[in-house]
Amino acid sequence: NAGVTQTPKFQVLKTGQSMTLQCAQDMNHEYMSWYRQDPGMGLRLIHYSVGAGITDQGEVPNGYNVSRSTTEDFPLRLLSAAPSQTSVYFCASRFSRGREETQYFGPGTRLLVL
Amino acid sequence: GQSLEQPSEVTAVEGAIVQINCTYQTSGFYGLSWYQQHDGGAPTFLSYNALDGLEETGRFSSFLSRSDSYGYLLLQELQMKDSASYFCAVIKAAGNKLTFGGGTRVLVKP
Repeated sequence: NAGVTQTPKFQVLKTGQSMTLQCAQDMNHEYMSWYRQDPGMGLRLIHYSVGAGITDQGEVPNGYNVSRSTTEDFPLRLLSAAPSQTSVYFCASRFSRGREETQYFGPGTRLLVL
Repeated sequence: GQSLEQPSEVTAVEGAIVQINCTYQTSGFYGLSWYQQHDGGAPTFLSYNALDGLEETGRFSSFLSRSDSYGYLLLQELQMKDSASYFCAVIKAAGNKLTFGGGTRVLVKP
């Protein structure tokens, strides 16, 4: 199993450009999430999904869109990049059933918006 | 609203024991998770508590008291490789999203 994969690892954008961060998991987990982490800070939830076709907003959804057409994939779209979106983005896949709860993170995408 | 409070930084020597506290205020509560993150890396899952009491996994243990809205992560026999940031995260309801605390940076000295 590859676990959670993210592409690209690094990206530089100009203000106003759009792009899609890819995320895939091969563990057949229902729950997937996108977080951003600014330097020295905690993780802030952008969007999450509880299954294919179902998404919801997190704490900081503005400027980002998501879709979940399959269980495996959960891409994050930046509509019009802004310098405030410079951050490290983590995708996560989660198993949650009863007293069992485990979340696996991808390696992250480091984004710089100029 | 909701909030999670953890100390920002803890320093200890190799072989020591460190306890990282997490207090939470949420409108609902289902469980508390702990994650470790090394500099430049991704968070990795350490433990999850849904019920009161202590969960032990090797050198790391996690405790939850639902009545006190409080939990802690206990790191025993500290090693240099334990230098990292540790995050608590609350789940408000089954299948619901996780909300993370700001993290505690643990520095282990020789």
